Amino acid sequence: ETGVTQSPTHLIKTRGQQVTLRCSSQSGHNTVSWYQQALGQGPQFIFQYYREEENGRGNFPPRFSGLQFPNYSSELNVNALELDDSALYLCASSLSAGLYEQYFGPGTRLTVT
Amino acid sequence: AQSVTQLDSHVSVSEGTPVLLRCNYSSSYSPSLFWYVQHPNKGLQLLLKYTSAATLVKGINGFEAEFKKSETSFHLTKPSAHMSDAAEYFCVVRDGSGGGADGLTFGKGTHLIIQP
Repeated sequence: ETGVTQSPTHLIKTRGQQVTLRCSSQSGHNTVSWYQQALGQGPQFIFQYYREEENGRGNFPPRFSGLQFPNYSSELNVNALELDDSALYLCASSLSAGLYEQYFGPGTRLTVT
Repeated sequence: AQSVTQLDSHVSVSEGTPVLLRCNYSSSYSPSLFWYVQHPNKGLQLLLKYTSAATLVKGINGFEAEFKKSETSFHLTKPSAHMSDAAEYFCVVRDGSGGGADGLTFGKGTHLIIQP
């Protein structure tokens, strides 16, 4: 059984560009949540996908969007990058939506210059 | 609304001495509470969780936490610190409202330093 994987590991983008981050959920999990962790801070909830539909969202603007695919892998897309978007982006998968444990991937470090 | 306050940004203890990491929470509904650990360049790992069963929760690596509703606290303890415990620790709450997504709310973290 493989755990949650994320790609790429590191990424450098320029302000105004767009970026796509990818996450493969743990086998058997149909729910993926995304978090942003700024340096020295705790992760903040961006949104959750359950069976290919957005299931809820934190306090992030619409330029943060996502997708979930039939195999339950997921993408996080960020448009019009800003310097403050520089952070570690974490993906977590769970067996289902609801009160199930979330298993985290190692994250993607995004630097916006 | 839910929130978490970790009362110490840094805690330093000597190897072999007890560890106490403090956490207070706020939740409109019966919360689920968690402690996660994050080692440098590694993903978040669940240490333990409280989900309205026993108030004293035992986790991995000798850690435990006690849910105290009257004090709205969920402090993490370990009787004897080990060098490998040095890491960032996050207290996390998820309220039981059942509405919307089950996003976790993290505290700002406590950096645990172990002195030899």
